[in-house]
Amino acid sequence: AQRVTQPEKLLSVFKGAPVELKCNYSYSGSPELFWYVQYSRQRLQLLLRHISRESIKGFTADLNKGETSFHLKKPFAQEEDSAMYYCALSSGGGADGLTFGKGTHLIIQP
Amino acid sequence: KAGVTQTPRYLIKTRGQQVTLSCSPISGHRSVSWYQQTPGQGLQFLFEYFSETQRNKGNFPGRFSGRQFSNSRSEMNVSTLELGDSALYLCASRLGTAQDEQFFGPGTRLTVL
Repeated sequence: AQRVTQPEKLLSVFKGAPVELKCNYSYSGSPELFWYVQYSRQRLQLLLRHISRESIKGFTADLNKGETSFHLKKPFAQEEDSAMYYCALSSGGGADGLTFGKGTHLIIQP
Repeated sequence: KAGVTQTPRYLIKTRGQQVTLSCSPISGHRSVSWYQQTPGQGLQFLFEYFSETQRNKGNFPGRFSGRQFSNSRSEMNVSTLELGDSALYLCASRLGTAQDEQFFGPGTRLTVL
C-alpha cells in the first residue's frame, strides 16, 4: 500500500530563515509526487509537482528515489508562506486518487 | 473562469440518515474526484468519476457512493450515517488525464449527531 509521511505537524521559523518541510513516501512503483498548499480561508491548491521540476513562489522539491523523499525547500521564508502544506502521491500512469500526508502547519514568524 | 463549487457548504444530519452532496466542476473538466478530510485520518480518496463512469475507488465502505451526470456534475451519497462520517468532503476536478492538475472546491462540512 502506498503511504505518505510528513513527520512534522507544526514547523515554526523566522522570516528570512531557510525552510524545509519533510515528506517521505512508500510505494513500490514509480510515483508522481506533489506538494499542495492551503492558505488561511482558501482552497487546497497545487504548489508544485516533481515532473515539472519548476520553482513556485521560491519553493523547490527534489524527488530522491533512494531515500524515498520529496522534501519541500525555500531558502528565505516570507510571512506569506504561512499555511498548511500537504505532500501527496499518485501512482501515475492511469487515473487514480491522491494519497496525502497528514500535513505540516508552517508558521513564519516576523 | 468559475472554480469548483460544492453545495451545500454545511450540513447537519443525525445517525442513520442519508445525505447527498453535490459538486460542479470547472467548465470543460470531465473528471471529478471526492476526498474525505478528518482530523484523525487526514485527506483520504473516496472515488473518481470520468465521463459518467467510476474510474477509481478508495478504501471506503459501500455506504459511500457517487455518480456523475452528462454535464460532469457529480453527487456523492452516504447512507446510514455514522458519527465517524463527520468530516469535510472535498471535491476536485481536472480535465481528464492523470497528468492534469486537480482543482479543489471549498468543501462541504458534514456533521453527524
